[in-house]
Amino acid sequence: EVQLVESGGGLVQPGGSLKLSCAASGFVFSGAVMHWVRQAPGKGLEWVGRIRTKANDYTTTYAASLKGRFIISRDDSKSTAYLQMNSLKTEDTAVYYCTRLYCTRTSCYSPWGQGTLVTVSS
Amino acid sequence: QSVLTQPPSVSGAPGQRVTISCTGTSSNIGAGYDVHWYQQYSTTAPKLLIYGNTNRSSGVPDRFSGSKSGTSASLAITGLQAEDEADYYCQTYDSSLSGFWVFGGGTKLTVL
Repeated sequence: EVQLVESGGGLVQPGGSLKLSCAASGFVFSGAVMHWVRQAPGKGLEWVGRIRTKANDYTTTYAASLKGRFIISRDDSKSTAYLQMNSLKTEDTAVYYCTRLYCTRTSCYSPWGQGTLVTVSS
Repeated sequence: QSVLTQPPSVSGAPGQRVTISCTGTSSNIGAGYDVHWYQQYSTTAPKLLIYGNTNRSSGVPDRFSGSKSGTSASLAITGLQAEDEADYYCQTYDSSLSGFWVFGGGTKLTVL
């Protein structure tokens, strides 16, 4: 069974940093492009960024609105993706999800984790 | 505001048909990228409902259908049921500086 489990959320002060983890199981993690998506309270989904595989040099792409404050990484040996968040602002308060979207010859799938809540407040 | 535009809310009585629109631009939907639709119940993770513009995910009733034309896409739900009350999001890819994935702002479906 494919499973994604986020962790590392919590309360952090404005200007602080936090590192989220996404532990994957049930599929070959090293071959998966992983995405982070966030959802502020009562708001819609916002794509944060993605990290490609080793075959694509672990290339990362981010939402322009983040202005370089977030960094996505991965450890294929631990089947885990990470989201390092720096210079946090109150508007970064959200549930953060990791996910992937992949297609076989017959169908597409998009497993999501349960999300982890990040609250930025003084 | 979101790169893709969706109506904030739609509603319909049980058994009726509703549609949710998703309007983009020439750098995303109009560029030929696939549109996917997600369903989200409050406090739970989104679930892939429609992928590749028109294809239903496994287990999704055929009451749900997707379409795409030009710079827009639509999700149609026929024979509305109470359990369809949820938030719906369209998602596609974007070749501009907005990012790689882009989402619509979401549409709250209320079953009257």
